[in-house]
Amino acid sequence: SQELEQSPQSLIVQEGKNLTINCTSSKTLYGLYWYKQKYGEGLIFLMMLQKGGEEKSHEKITAKLDEKKQQSSLHITASQPSHAGIYLCGASSGNTGKLIFGQGTTLQVKP
Amino acid sequence: GAVVSQHPSWVICKSGTSVKIECRSLDFQATTMFWYRQFPKQSLMLMATSNEGSKATYEQGVEKDKFLINHASLTLSTLTVTSAHPEDSSFYICSATTQWGSRTEAFFGQGTRLTVV
Repeated sequence: SQELEQSPQSLIVQEGKNLTINCTSSKTLYGLYWYKQKYGEGLIFLMMLQKGGEEKSHEKITAKLDEKKQQSSLHITASQPSHAGIYLCGASSGNTGKLIFGQGTTLQVKP
Repeated sequence: GAVVSQHPSWVICKSGTSVKIECRSLDFQATTMFWYRQFPKQSLMLMATSNEGSKATYEQGVEKDKFLINHASLTLSTLTVTSAHPEDSSFYICSATTQWGSRTEAFFGQGTRLTVV
């Protein structure tokens, strides 16, 4: 079965610093999703990547999917306290909407 | 974007009782909904796939008699935790899928925090 490994598991950065979160799949991905979650709340959709080499940006967050479609990175530029939360990568092995998730990366941004 | 509503957002129940959680797609029809469970400081684990008009498909290790899923219409799926015990306390999240062009998109509810005392 497909597994997703996220790294790091937790991250503390100073406000204004850049950071990167990685997500590695044991199998080729059909689609890779990035979500943000505040503890005890629902998921906020950030971005979805489907094509090898694809890169998407929204405000200060950029996500990339490698050519082999097995690794993705999420990069935050000039982090702010509002970026704090749990970042989850999710993967679909087919076009079903069924997702498996990585274990999450908890981000703290110190003012 | 598409909206998925879960109700209740939190519930406390006594051990041995049953609790029903609703997942509704508000502005689209969802032939398939998924139920996930999340324990504190852990990721989301898929519990089951809920298909409208047919029986749910459960992931390995999930007791189908304990977690009853009903998908009676294209906009509503329910998860009933029967004879709840403290170890069932968790955060339950549903997602509803719809076609977005050629792609199937999943939209998540806000989650339900269940505490069994």
